[in-house]
Amino acid sequence: DADVTQTPRNRITKTGKRIMLECSQTKGHDRMYWYRQDPGLGLRLIYYSFDVKDINKGEISDGYSVSRQAQAKFSLSLESAIPNQTALYFCATSDPEGQGASSSTDTQYFGPGTRLTVL
Amino acid sequence: QKEVEQNSGPLSVPEGAIASLNCTYSDRGSQSFFWYRQYSGKSPELIMFIYSNGDKEDGRFTAQLNKASQYVSLLIRDSQPSDSATYLCAVRDLYNFNKFYFGSGTKLNVKP
Repeated sequence: DADVTQTPRNRITKTGKRIMLECSQTKGHDRMYWYRQDPGLGLRLIYYSFDVKDINKGEISDGYSVSRQAQAKFSLSLESAIPNQTALYFCATSDPEGQGASSSTDTQYFGPGTRLTVL
Repeated sequence: QKEVEQNSGPLSVPEGAIASLNCTYSDRGSQSFFWYRQYSGKSPELIMFIYSNGDKEDGRFTAQLNKASQYVSLLIRDSQPSDSATYLCAVRDLYNFNKFYFGSGTKLNVKP
């Protein structure tokens, strides 16, 4: 069973449309992240959240917004999609208190990704 | 702007050889370093993390850290075709430990 899930997995949309990408996790982690991945640019942080009351901008938050509906859910919205937002989007969680099975307190667990194409 | 640099590759090695992947970072005070493996079309998964100067071994993988020279490397011994993937280096932000900076990754091809 996947611990971090993302919906949809693929989406094609048109310029100007509003899009929401959803992320859910069953790991019980407080910290959640949204990244985008572009060829040759690696993963870049869009937003991150420590808990439902704490949301922070990352490197490239312009044109995006997020909502932390619950500990387990973190949504990313593109209010008015543009073609240069075409990318692979990943949600991730982390457990800095080291309560997971892994010995690493800094491991980020990634969802399967959402491939978004904006025409 | 914090930078994490990796050679994009592809790095091609024959099966059974040692693959050496390198990463440099710009923030001299960085303390925590991570290697992720990403298969094509899949999400990254953590291979190793290293915090102290020197070598850290885990099975066929060895991470090497040299803070004075600001580089971290990953050695894969006895490379297998199943190791063919993109390897991402990540560095944790010195002042905000909840933030991570990723390199663009090195693509490794292990030829049978």
